[in-house]
Amino acid sequence: DIQMTQSPSSLSASVGDRVTISCRASQNIGRYLNWYQQKAGKAPKLLIFVASSLQSGVPSRFSGSGSGTDFTLTISSLQPEDFATYYCQQSHTSPMCSFGQGTKVEIK
Amino acid sequence: EDLLVESGGALVQAGRSLRLSCAASGFNFDDYAMHWVRQLPGKGLEWVSGISWNSKRIDYADSVKGRFTISRDNAKNSVILQMNSLRSEDTGLYFCTRDMRGGGLSMIFGPWGPGTLVTVSS
Repeated sequence: DIQMTQSPSSLSASVGDRVTISCRASQNIGRYLNWYQQKAGKAPKLLIFVASSLQSGVPSRFSGSGSGTDFTLTISSLQPEDFATYYCQQSHTSPMCSFGQGTKVEIK
Repeated sequence: EDLLVESGGALVQAGRSLRLSCAASGFNFDDYAMHWVRQLPGKGLEWVSGISWNSKRIDYADSVKGRFTISRDNAKNSVILQMNSLRSEDTGLYFCTRDMRGGGLSMIFGPWGPGTLVTVSS
């Protein structure tokens, strides 16, 4: 099974900050890496798919990069509505997949 | 607007069964594969099962294989998760989600429902 490890597990940031979240796969997954945002009490929402493609309707301050085993989600200028938990997910081993443990972005 | 609404969650004793339903609207249901993903209490996300547009491809997580059955009714725009032999570790919030890339199991999850809560007591 492919293990997905996110870092950090949580972070505190201020509005306007640049935020970077890392995700590492236990083996090469190419670019089959997706990012989701989950706000408290809500369902996850797809932000980025296949490493760097922005889902329709998602603000351009969100971007993704990486390939192989190391990936990054960047929020260029954190907005109040971005405080949430972010999950990476590998879709390389379709139909199986696995999620990271999540990164909680909190207000500083 | 793509809309998914789950139902059927409940408090149930270990060993019993439960049937979850997901009603879809706002898109051509039979063009897309569908999935169930669960969130265990205070923890992350776990894919449970997926079904292709024509039901010819069905897959399950190892943790539920042999106990859960997924099915769909394209005439009714619905997907079902039949859960048998429930265990306490099945407790969680169950989400219905649509595959983003059409009828096959790409494992990229587009729209999600709000979820339905399953609690299994031991």
